[in-house]
Amino acid sequence: NAGVTQTPKFQVLKTGQSMTLQCAQDMNHEYMSWYRQDPGMGLRLIHYSVGAGITDQGEVPNGYNVSRSTTEDFPLRLLSAAPSQTSVYFCASSETGTGAYEQYFGPGTRLTVT
Amino acid sequence: ELKVEQNPLFLSMQEGKNYTIYCNYSTTSDRLYWYRQDPGKSLESLFVLLSNGAVKQEGRLMASLDTKARLSTLHITAAVHDLSATYFCAVGNLGNEKLTFGTGTRLTIIP
Repeated sequence: NAGVTQTPKFQVLKTGQSMTLQCAQDMNHEYMSWYRQDPGMGLRLIHYSVGAGITDQGEVPNGYNVSRSTTEDFPLRLLSAAPSQTSVYFCASSETGTGAYEQYFGPGTRLTVT
Repeated sequence: ELKVEQNPLFLSMQEGKNYTIYCNYSTTSDRLYWYRQDPGKSLESLFVLLSNGAVKQEGRLMASLDTKARLSTLHITAAVHDLSATYFCAVGNLGNEKLTFGTGTRLTIIP
């Protein structure tokens, strides 16, 4: 199993450009999510999905779109990049239910917006 | 709104010493996670705690959960340099996979 994979690892954008961060998992997990990590602020939830065709907003959704057409993939789209979106982005996945399910994190994408 | 606070934010300790990191959360929750993050790396799961009084241990790390006090602790015994990292706690609820993270504790072990 590759686990959770993310591409690209690094990206530099100019203000106003758009791009898609890719996330894929091969564990057949229903739940997938996107977080951003900024210095001194821990991780904050952007969007999440509990299954194909179902997405919802997290704590900081503005400026980002998501879709979930398959169980495996959960891309994050930046519509018009802003310097405030400079951050490290992590995708995570887990099983769903009432058990002690771990959330598995991808390696991250470091995004700089100039 | 669920808030998660960790303290201390920074901790520098000598090898061989014991110390505890605290994680307080503001509303009733029944799932508590501890993660480790090395610089420039992703998050590594350490513990998942579900019930009041739960205690889990792995090597020199031991985590506990008191749901009535809304408090979890991560205890480090006889610290070694390899434990230097940032440690995060995260809180969620059964049946809802969304997590709220603390701001992290940057731990530095000095030889």
